[in-house]
Amino acid sequence: DAKTTQPTSMDCAEGRAANLPCNHSTISGNEYVYWYRQIHSQGPQYIIHGLKNNETNEMASLIITEDRKSSTLILPHATLRDTAVYYCIVRVEHGGSQGNLIFGKGTKLSVKP
Amino acid sequence: NAGVMQNPRHLVRRRGQEARLRCSPMKGHSHVYWYRQLPEEGLKFMVYLQKENIIDESGMPKERFSAEFPKEGPSILRIQQVVRGDSAAYFCASSHSRGNYGYTFGSGTRLTVV
Repeated sequence: DAKTTQPTSMDCAEGRAANLPCNHSTISGNEYVYWYRQIHSQGPQYIIHGLKNNETNEMASLIITEDRKSSTLILPHATLRDTAVYYCIVRVEHGGSQGNLIFGKGTKLSVKP
Repeated sequence: NAGVMQNPRHLVRRRGQEARLRCSPMKGHSHVYWYRQLPEEGLKFMVYLQKENIIDESGMPKERFSAEFPKEGPSILRIQQVVRGDSAAYFCASSHSRGNYGYTFGSGTRLTVV
């Protein structure tokens, strides 16, 4: 079972920042937070991941709270092409079945013009 | 620099037939993962393989399903005696190493059982 809780759906206006929350209150010290997204009918796409510190790449920013019990994925300027299901996953970096990516239900983000 | 290649993209099988789904990982990737996505549901982990070895098959149904990743050639997910409930999208992902965050997913094979 997924170890994360995400809202079922969210809307965002085109050009505005999309902030997607994720709760992972039972996260362990050696578990990373990963974000993937799945655009309709396509394979999942890696976005970003982090352990403790905030992370930024060309796609998004990841803000992790100090206690690591929650995080927020930020798409700074959402476009219509960002409409997708966004998955927040906690995962051990190495080792056995604990290292498998386990997908929950995710958040369906709808970017509207 | 091709990504993860899955074929066929669409596969139609009659009940009782066999389905063979192929996955060629990214160049240099030796870890392969198979996932299944039933209609309107999330992705479910099925199996994790390295070259010639099944590492974790905890998500595989106990009967009719098997997977391999031979020394040469693509990884194969085989479903024998398909039933309507096997209709789903099957995604393959690959990574360079176990700890590498770079799981790259293919575009999937959509299996329809009629």
